[in-house]
Amino acid sequence: QQQVKQSPQSLIVQKGGISIINCAYENTAFDYFPWYQQFPGKGPALLIAIRPDVSEKKEGRFTISFNKSAKQFSLHIMDSQPGDSATYFCAATQPGGPTGTASKLTFGTGTRLQVTL
Amino acid sequence: DSGVTQTPKHLITATGQRVTLRCSPRSGDLSVYWYQQSLDQGLQFLIQYYNGEERAKGNILERFSAQQFPDLHSELNLSSLELGDSALYFCASSPGLAGNYHEQYFGPGTRLTVT
Repeated sequence: QQQVKQSPQSLIVQKGGISIINCAYENTAFDYFPWYQQFPGKGPALLIAIRPDVSEKKEGRFTISFNKSAKQFSLHIMDSQPGDSATYFCAATQPGGPTGTASKLTFGTGTRLQVTL
Repeated sequence: DSGVTQTPKHLITATGQRVTLRCSPRSGDLSVYWYQQSLDQGLQFLIQYYNGEERAKGNILERFSAQQFPDLHSELNLSSLELGDSALYFCASSPGLAGNYHEQYFGPGTRLTVT
């Protein structure tokens, strides 16, 4: 059961362009939506995250847009650079237990971004 | 650098063997998670520990087990290895405090190759 669907599978963007990656989720209990960036041979690195009570969050060139009613969220990378070439994963998680521990991350299938010169 | 360390970086072993992967969480983090990344299954949650206790299990095979020690480091044990167990294994950690406890930080991973 694919609880978080991610598209596109791969994306080629010119330097300076906008990269857009979309995700859709099914579980309405999800309450935290992070994006991870992964370079070859490295572990996923937390990039930016949003909670469902906010429709947009911006950090530098990275913006998350969140549509709670549509159960969709997206990552926008403005002024894309060759150094942004990596695989991007959206993810979602549910509220933790009574001690506030985070529960597991459910990941999308990943988007391989290539930024060309 | 996330502050999460994993050893070894690479592991090559034969089918039927047993291996142990080690993870040290970020300083102060109480939760440890193990994930498996393979080409066909993507990133899949295996198991979570919080302050030494098992908290949640995902699609972890019975041949796999884990534990978290009093110093909070964790080990993932994989036994009776099969070719299909070849994958990247990641450990992540998160704080045990309210507020930012959702943030999970990943280690560099252990690449396991079963021949």
